[in-house]
Amino acid sequence: RKEVEQDPGPFNVPEGATVAFNCTYSNSASQSFFWYRQDCRKEPKLLMSVYSSGNEDGRFTAQLNRASQYISLLIRDSKLSDSATYLCVVNIGVEERFGAGTRLTVKP
Amino acid sequence: EAQVTQNPRYLITVTGKKLTVTCSQNMNHEYMSWYRQDPGLGLRQIYYSMNVEVTDKGDVPEGYKVSRKEKRNFPLILESPSPNQTSLYFCASRLGSGGYYEQYFGPGTRLTVT
Repeated sequence: RKEVEQDPGPFNVPEGATVAFNCTYSNSASQSFFWYRQDCRKEPKLLMSVYSSGNEDGRFTAQLNRASQYISLLIRDSKLSDSATYLCVVNIGVEERFGAGTRLTVKP
Repeated sequence: EAQVTQNPRYLITVTGKKLTVTCSQNMNHEYMSWYRQDPGLGLRQIYYSMNVEVTDKGDVPEGYKVSRKEKRNFPLILESPSPNQTSLYFCASRLGSGGYYEQYFGPGTRLTVT
């Protein structure tokens, strides 16, 4: 079993749709959690950190469920520019574990 | 501009020919790491460094070497490249070794070993 698992998608949604991604992790000692965004053939860039209490940044909401060991990302009112691969990242001490990513395509 | 740079960006080489991919950051970050990205597998950590002269293995260190003689530079060395090392490589840095810091990635190096 992979340490960090994501649904690879692709998710194809129309503009304006709400879309949610989940990510599960296997190591209960995981300490910190992030969502990164990666555009095709580009480097990953931090989208947002995920806090225990949940956090929101504009149209994006991230949540953490430690008991069930998953994190989620909700995108509201999808834009064409949201098309990318979204990577779930889990930190265990000094080491990071990346999910394989979920690909999102937002269509007009 | 704060950034992580890598060179070369693209490289095609032959089996067994030693190569080095350079990585440099200008943010005075302590922690640096190398990843490879393969389809369906995501990013896997090769090596990381918590500070100058301190390096450690990640998930997939076999066939790679690194060094950290200066804080800003963290080269990746393939002593004898093989075709299974064909991949997209990213260097990254963050302020500290604690996992709460944002990682900054270089633009990537696409390596093909024939």
